[in-house]
Amino acid sequence: QQPVQSPQAVILREGEDAVINCSSSKALYSVHWYRQKHGEAPVFLMILLKGGEQKGHEKISASFNEKKQQSSLYLTASQLSYSGTYFCGTEPFDRGSTLGRLYFGRGTQLTVWP
Amino acid sequence: DAEITQSPRHKITETGRQVTLACHQTWNHNNMFWYRQDLGHGLRLIHYSYGVHDTNKGEVSDGYSVSRSNTEDLPLTLESAASSQTSVYFCASSEGGPYNEQFFGPGTRLTVL
Repeated sequence: QQPVQSPQAVILREGEDAVINCSSSKALYSVHWYRQKHGEAPVFLMILLKGGEQKGHEKISASFNEKKQQSSLYLTASQLSYSGTYFCGTEPFDRGSTLGRLYFGRGTQLTVWP
Repeated sequence: DAEITQSPRHKITETGRQVTLACHQTWNHNNMFWYRQDLGHGLRLIHYSYGVHDTNKGEVSDGYSVSRSNTEDLPLTLESAASSQTSVYFCASSEGGPYNEQFFGPGTRLTVL
């Protein structure tokens, strides 16, 4: 049930845009996005719920295609501070209910150069 | 401020020894989780709990156990440490409900020699 993330790695210049994708084979209730800097804990960025609600970071946007069970994270006008590894976590529906647990992808390493 | 802490932050142990990693949160969250993180694998769930006296197995639970005797703590025990359990371990908690974002502790780096 682990979601698939793509690409595995992205290298950008400051000010460029990036898109990170997350795809699941299961029907989903929500998709979470986290960022982890080297040697630190993952930090919550955004959550997208089935039905269109979302909550998260002001400067980061994301989409959730419920029919395709896919989510994309959009990083626009990237800054040096955006560097890190981005993980999506998916919360599947299971027999009409959610379990409150996440399945994490393997991560996308984003490097922003000046 | 509310927080989630883990101890120890670094641990070196020998094969076959029992090891317990502590996780403590002050948010009064019902849900708590233990993950291990290895290069190339992302975060893999070991055990999780939805409340006091509730525990559930994740996808990599063999060789690990947890118990939840209060809301604040979910200690993770390695019954007989193996070299394959060398990893970085993260504890997380969430309130539950529709948004359910998880807050992670700082992690414990465990080395089994």
